[in-house]
Amino acid sequence: DQQVKQNSPSLSVQEGRISILNCDYTNSMFDYFLWYKKYPAEGPTFLISISSIKDKNEDGRFTVFLNKSAKHLSLHIVPSQPGDSAVYFCAANSGGSNYKLTFGKGTLLTVNP
Amino acid sequence: DTAVSQTPKYLVTQMGNDKSIKCEQNLGHDTMYWYKQDSKKFLKIMFSYNNKELIINETVPNRFSPKSPDKAHLNLHINSLELGDSAVYFCASSQLRFGGEQYFGPGTRLTVT
Repeated sequence: DQQVKQNSPSLSVQEGRISILNCDYTNSMFDYFLWYKKYPAEGPTFLISISSIKDKNEDGRFTVFLNKSAKHLSLHIVPSQPGDSAVYFCAANSGGSNYKLTFGKGTLLTVNP
Repeated sequence: DTAVSQTPKYLVTQMGNDKSIKCEQNLGHDTMYWYKQDSKKFLKIMFSYNNKELIINETVPNRFSPKSPDKAHLNLHINSLELGDSAVYFCASSQLRFGGEQYFGPGTRLTVT
């Protein structure tokens, strides 16, 4: 039962262009969404998040868009840099008192110089 | 100074053995987590402790037993290890609140032979 889906296992982009990573979810109780970046042999690191009451959140080169009606969110990276090459995980918080996170399977982003 | 640390980073052991993984955080967070990343790369929550109390206990074999001696430590003990336990185990910590992003340790790669 995959409640958070990242349907693209990989994405390749040229340096300087935009990277768009997508995430879909099925649970309408999710009210907070996060993106994590993971390099090989390291733990995931928090990148950016968005509350379900917003439709956009921006932090430097990173912007997350949320479309609640479509149960879809996306992460835009502009401009993409080779150091952005990593696995990106989408995660959703199901609310409640324990704020449990459900993760997608991840998308491997490769930014080519 | 490492925020969330885990030991050991690599663990190779034989089936049937008992092993422990240790986790410590120096972020002052009140909640700690154990995640398992299996061969399919999904990050799945196993346990969570808030102020030393168990608040998340997913469907995990009872061979896995977490122990939280204090808010800054969460250890994972695994009895009678099986081949299927081979995975990367991540510890994480956060403040238990809406929007409280989780900070992850570097992971422990467990290989059961």
